[in-house]
Amino acid sequence: DSGVTQTPKHLITATGQRVTLRCSPRSGDLSVYWYQQSLDQGLQFLIQYYNGEERAKGNILERFSAQQFPDLHSELNLSSLELGDSALYFCASSAHGGGSSTDTQYFGPGTRLTVL
Amino acid sequence: QQQVKQSPQSLIVQKGGISIINCAYENTAFDYFPWYQQFPGKGPALLIAIRPDVSEKKEGRFTISFNKSAKQFSLHIMDSQPGDSATYFCAAEYSSASKIIFGSGTRLSIRP
Repeated sequence: DSGVTQTPKHLITATGQRVTLRCSPRSGDLSVYWYQQSLDQGLQFLIQYYNGEERAKGNILERFSAQQFPDLHSELNLSSLELGDSALYFCASSAHGGGSSTDTQYFGPGTRLTVL
Repeated sequence: QQQVKQSPQSLIVQKGGISIINCAYENTAFDYFPWYQQFPGKGPALLIAIRPDVSEKKEGRFTISFNKSAKQFSLHIMDSQPGDSATYFCAAEYSSASKIIFGSGTRLSIRP
């Protein structure tokens, strides 16, 4: 158990809808990262937040947004959902904000999103 | 230039054998190369990592070999065990940008 929690575990929704995925980092960790894992695109970095502020951005679509709250939990909002958004979404956390080279990332168990 | 190419896609090794997974990158700005292990139903977990100023790093049965001139690196698992059966991802990061690029993954199966 990495200490990172994600809810919900599974989510099934329809095209055009909006969903929110939630992540609670390990106790004391200040950074939260979001990743998308799909069969055709593999594992992709979406975005990083550090202590409430956006730190780094990857291949995140404009329809997707994230935020990190004062209690350090994070939410990933996915809107105008398309079939291709079906994937596993992972959250990871680390103690500081330097990226994986200076700061081990611990991954949560993921949220499986299915868009019908 | 952003890609990290990983091979093979899947690998079957007998128990006690050596598992070898290869990765190649293009962007010389990458300065950190981690390997992640992922079991079914779990998130990836950092296994071992190397920086380009080192040609080899060993941790237990796991070794990374790094060839800077060829822009290639590989993971060797010695004395492979059934418990090593998992998907392995190589990755590359340029730490100044805190962005990580993953390989496509290798599904490793160790036969008892």
